[in-house]
Amino acid sequence: DAGITQSPRHKVTETGTPVTLRCHQTENHRYMYWYRQDPGHGLRLIHYSYGVKDTDKGEVSDGYSVSRSKTEDFLLTLESATSSQTSVYFCAISVAGLSSYNSPLHFGNGTRLTVT
Amino acid sequence: AQSVTQLDSQVPVFEEAPVELRCNYSSSVSVYLFWYVQYPNQGLQLLLKYLSGSTLVKGINGFEAEFNKSQTSFHLRKPSVHISDTAEYFCAVKGGDSGSARQLTFGSGTQLTVLP
Repeated sequence: DAGITQSPRHKVTETGTPVTLRCHQTENHRYMYWYRQDPGHGLRLIHYSYGVKDTDKGEVSDGYSVSRSKTEDFLLTLESATSSQTSVYFCAISVAGLSSYNSPLHFGNGTRLTVT
Repeated sequence: AQSVTQLDSQVPVFEEAPVELRCNYSSSVSVYLFWYVQYPNQGLQLLLKYLSGSTLVKGINGFEAEFNKSQTSFHLRKPSVHISDTAEYFCAVKGGDSGSARQLTFGSGTQLTVLP
């Protein structure tokens, strides 16, 4: 167990409202990631972080922002939710102590977001 | 940019039969390869990984995969499947060009359904 907690587990929101998803880890891993999962697309990287206040964009970053003010928390914000952002969102970490290039990712249990 | 192709979106197979799930990747430089499994309403769990060395990699639950550099493939196999192997399987690649070296790129997934 990599000690990853995502909250909330389920969220229903209306178009145009802001939404923040939280990923919390207990083991001080440096690299954290946000992915979204959609049928037929697998998992696609939204943003990732390589340390406190250090973040970078992934493949599908439009409409999303992230923040990492503490090592243990990585927040994903939808500033103005749209129906196309209905998805399952997964947080992942890269295990500390291994090379960031070849270490596998460990995933949380996901947040199912529905935008109506 | 990396790309991963899982050639079959759905694979039905009878219990105790062998199965192969196919995966091809795009990079011509050194990469690290992974297979993940996702059971319904759960996060992703690492099945196995290829980092270097022997091209035949053994993972959990009796699965194995073979890295073939010349064919840029990393197919997953199991000699005899069980009902409990029913799940979605994702191939993923890390490495390649420096811009994506720390990012994990996923295929679109293969739904394995084991029939009684």
